[in-house]
Amino acid sequence: NAGVTQTPKFQVLKTGQSMTLQCAQDMNHEYMSWYRQDPGMGLRLIHYSVGAGITDQGEVPNGYNVSRSTTEDFPLRLLSAAPSQTSVYFCASSQGFGYEQYFGPGTRLTVT
Amino acid sequence: QQPVQSPQAVILREGEDAVINCSSSKALYSVHWYRQKHGEAPVFLMILLKGGEQKGHEKISASFNEKKQQSSLYLTASQLSYSGTYFCGTDNQAGTALIFGKGTTLSVSS
Repeated sequence: NAGVTQTPKFQVLKTGQSMTLQCAQDMNHEYMSWYRQDPGMGLRLIHYSVGAGITDQGEVPNGYNVSRSTTEDFPLRLLSAAPSQTSVYFCASSQGFGYEQYFGPGTRLTVT
Repeated sequence: QQPVQSPQAVILREGEDAVINCSSSKALYSVHWYRQKHGEAPVFLMILLKGGEQKGHEKISASFNEKKQQSSLYLTASQLSYSGTYFCGTDNQAGTALIFGKGTTLSVSS
């Protein structure tokens, strides 16, 4: 099992550009989440999904879109990147709420 | 609401003990604990569920006071490998997702 994979590992964007951060898991987990990590702020929940076709907003959803068309994939879209979105992004999956979350290796995004 | 962790940072020598606390302003179904090494992803340590069930590493101990909406992580006889940032996670308002505190940085030296 590869677990949770994220691509790319590093990305530099210019303000206003769009991009999609990819996340995939091969554990057949229903729950998937996106977090961003900034110094001193901990891990903040952006969006999450409790199953294919079902998504909901987390603590800091503005500027991000998600969709969940399959159990395996949960991409995060930045429609118009801003410097405030410079961060490390982690995707996580679990078999359900109340179970261990498995984190991907992260994507380090810089917006200039 | 983000859970509140204390202290923000702890400095220990090998063999010393530490307690990390996590509190929430809402009733909780579960508390999760994770550790993150610099430059790496968070790694699961333990889950404590309402009703007393615990899942996690045998060498890690923690408590969950449901009435006070608090949890504590106990790190005894610390080793160099314990260094890192510890995060507690609790249910979001809807009880459908995990939100994390700002973390407690633990530094263990020899």
